[in-house]
Amino acid sequence: SQTIHQWPATLVQPVGSPLSLECTVEGTSNPNLYWYRQAAGRGLQLLFYSVGIGQISSEVPQNLSASRPQDRQFILSSKKLLLSDSGFYLCAWSEPGRFPEAFFGQGTRLTVV
Amino acid sequence: DQQVKQNSPSLSVQEGRISILNCDYTNSMFDYFLWYKKYPAEGPTFLISISSIKDKNEDGRFTVFLNKSAKHLSLHIVPSQPGDSAVYFCAASDQSGTYKYIFGTGTRLKVLA
Repeated sequence: SQTIHQWPATLVQPVGSPLSLECTVEGTSNPNLYWYRQAAGRGLQLLFYSVGIGQISSEVPQNLSASRPQDRQFILSSKKLLLSDSGFYLCAWSEPGRFPEAFFGQGTRLTVV
Repeated sequence: DQQVKQNSPSLSVQEGRISILNCDYTNSMFDYFLWYKKYPAEGPTFLISISSIKDKNEDGRFTVFLNKSAKHLSLHIVPSQPGDSAVYFCAASDQSGTYKYIFGTGTRLKVLA
């Protein structure tokens, strides 16, 4: 069966510090991978998605970047965090042609102080 | 530009009655629609979906209706139970093209015992 792991679960970082959130998927090959953010009182905003290794599409211009160094690994990064980067970050995967839905990790609560 | 809209931020329903959650979309390229349920500090879990070639899909107490001409879908929960209390997100996907999942802002459902 397929599983998705996302860590850490919570993170408190000072303004100006770097960020690295990691997500890995098991039990599937060549999944589509996604990073979403849920800001306080808002919906799920698509930040990045990837259909293959090294292929990253950015949806919203911002202070963040994403990378996919391996087939089932997706990393969300920032060189210098801003207060506005605080939020709940979610990684997700889908397997087109097999499952039409996307499956989510448990999320990371990021607080920038 | 909000491509998927949930205009009701909250809904309260008495236990045993029907809950109806609504969603509107603007992009005619969307060909798959999904509903997710989300508890605080957790990732969304997939609930039910519908392909654009159908107008209704039923799974136990949950039914999703799609009106393509109106670009509108709804989720019916009957009978509603206290455990259904959560935030419900509508999402739309282009399964034949970009494979992106675009989410609405969510509706907080509270089922009163």
